[in-house]
Amino acid sequence: DTAVSQTPKYLVTQMGNDKSIKCEQNLGHDTMYWYKQDSKKFLKIMFSYNNKELIINETVPNRFSPKSPDKAHLNLHINSLELGDSAVYFCASSQEPGVNQPQHFGDGTRLSIL
Amino acid sequence: GENVEQHPSTLSVQEGDSAVIKCTYSDSASNYFPWYKQELGKGPQLIIDIRSNVGEKKDQRIAVTLNKTAKHFSLHITETQPEDSAVYFCAASPSYGKLTFGQGTILTVHP
Repeated sequence: DTAVSQTPKYLVTQMGNDKSIKCEQNLGHDTMYWYKQDSKKFLKIMFSYNNKELIINETVPNRFSPKSPDKAHLNLHINSLELGDSAVYFCASSQEPGVNQPQHFGDGTRLSIL
Repeated sequence: GENVEQHPSTLSVQEGDSAVIKCTYSDSASNYFPWYKQELGKGPQLIIDIRSNVGEKKDQRIAVTLNKTAKHFSLHITETQPEDSAVYFCAASPSYGKLTFGQGTILTVHP
């Protein structure tokens, strides 16, 4: 009964490759997020979607492209992977964006670039 | 944009003692302040949150205080237990779910 689930849990790949991370939430929330946690544990928001519409887009290289096929799913595609992309990527969801609501996080995808 | 500073970066206590983690924020428009606990290999889990119209909130052994004038908020854990050992993050948000996180505090509770 995982509320926010991400796949894969681990992703090891070569520099220059393209990869995708998938996220699904079964909480009925309208808003989903992607966060990046670096090696020093610092958490930073990357994107947010509300009902399939992009509402937050932080300063992220355009090699990163989020896609939301429906409000329960938010995927992250990364082109031309670089060493600095190595991190743990977390998906989260909340009820609505207009009034701050608690965000529920998945268990992360650990991306390692060789 | 918002900037959140969190101290200390590491905190070691004996079981049964209290633990206090402090955060400051820069954006006076921030009105939502959650605290998250992250265990090894897991995602952050919300443990308590407070909104700007409230000065203090308590949930069993956990309490959070907010001083809007000074732009700081704190997490208090009483009667600590070994299972409280984890990384704790504070965060602040002005609106639209845009959380800015502190740098994290590694809390170790020794039996």
